[in-house]
Amino acid sequence: DSGVTQTPKHLITATGQRVTLRCSPRSGDLSVYWYQQSLDQGLQFLIQYYNGEERAKGNILERFSAQQFPDLHSELNLSSLELGDSALYFCASSTRTGHETQYFGPGTRLLVL
Amino acid sequence: AQTVTQSQPEMSVQEAETVTLSCTYDTSESDYYLFWYKQPPSRQMILVIRQEAYKQQNATENRFSVNFQKAAKSFSLKISDSQLGDAAMYFCAYRSASRDDKIIFGKGTRLHILP
Repeated sequence: DSGVTQTPKHLITATGQRVTLRCSPRSGDLSVYWYQQSLDQGLQFLIQYYNGEERAKGNILERFSAQQFPDLHSELNLSSLELGDSALYFCASSTRTGHETQYFGPGTRLLVL
Repeated sequence: AQTVTQSQPEMSVQEAETVTLSCTYDTSESDYYLFWYKQPPSRQMILVIRQEAYKQQNATENRFSVNFQKAAKSFSLKISDSQLGDAAMYFCAYRSASRDDKIIFGKGTRLHILP
């Protein structure tokens, strides 16, 4: 158990819908990272937050957004969902930023029908 | 841009034997970190081992060790005394030591353990 929690574990929804994925980092970790794992794209970095502020952005679609709250939990919002958004979404956290190992949560499996 | 390449999509090894998974990467940076993550059927991403580029000594964690060749940009993982529980997808990963510290993953190598 990495100490990073993600909810829900599974999510089934329809095209065009909007969902919110939640992540609670390890106690004391200030950085949160979101990754997407799909069959065709592999594991890709989406976005990073550090202590409430966006720090780095990867291949995140405009339909996706994220935020980190004062209690350091983070949410990833996916809207206007398409079939291709079906994937495993991971959250990872690290103590600070720069030189710390990232520990991954169990992931949220999203299925868009 | 940095890239990570795992040239072996699948490998098999007999239980109790030793197996080496290959990884090469491309970067122009001199300070970075390399990782091997394991993803079992549960899909959890588990850190296996970490290597700092500035350290010449190869990292080891129990039965897991790496062969880090900085000049060749090679980072292989050796698993000794393979166990059934080692069966998983293994991802080689790179992270710059700079402020933008996302992890870049390879495509993975699926490891089968034969009883």
